[in-house]
Amino acid sequence: GENVEQHPSTLSVQEGDSAVIKCTYSDSASNYFPWYKQELGKRPQLIIDIRSNVGEKKDQRIAVTLNKTAKHFSLHITETQPEDSAVYFCAASRGFSGGYNKLIFGAGTRLAVHP
Amino acid sequence: GAGVSQSPSNKVTEKGKDVELRCDPISGHTALYWYRQSLGQGLEFLIYFQGNSAPDKSGLPSDRFSAERTGGSVSTLTIQRTQQEDSAVYLCASSSGTAGGYTFGSGTRLTVV
Repeated sequence: GENVEQHPSTLSVQEGDSAVIKCTYSDSASNYFPWYKQELGKRPQLIIDIRSNVGEKKDQRIAVTLNKTAKHFSLHITETQPEDSAVYFCAASRGFSGGYNKLIFGAGTRLAVHP
Repeated sequence: GAGVSQSPSNKVTEKGKDVELRCDPISGHTALYWYRQSLGQGLEFLIYFQGNSAPDKSGLPSDRFSAERTGGSVSTLTIQRTQQEDSAVYLCASSSGTAGGYTFGSGTRLTVV
């Protein structure tokens, strides 16, 4: 079945450093890849997404890259701040064109940013 | 509504009892999803409703779990004869018919004692 693997499971960085989280997916028909941030005790919130027709997308300090050939995608956070500390989840689905859009999530990465 | 609403926010139940969890999606969202998140774990897919199509129930862990969506809006997840391993946060999400990320509700924290 569909599977999304996420690494690392935990990541500790100093404030101002960059953080990179990587995911691989098994379903070659996947075409939509969102990233969610979940702060302690709160709901997951969408922070950025990418569709299969582009290779990279940026939004201020965060960026996502996609390599369809290798079936992997990554989240990059630059100039990390303590408020970036949270659990980050990647996900994949076939939902680019609408219709079937079941998201399969990675296991999550717990990011800690130390002042 | 403005967001996805779930109730109750917390539920403590005795082992063997049945529970019902409710989700009210964003108005106009045709797709509704249920996920389960055990303590410190990831998001486990349970069930997916898309418009008038038959739901994707492939993630339901056992026949004690069922869900329905009435009138294309509100959904109820029912767990019969609850077990301690059912303890988790049950998250509901909705999305529009076009591609896009989900909007999650705040979840129902279920504790089976």
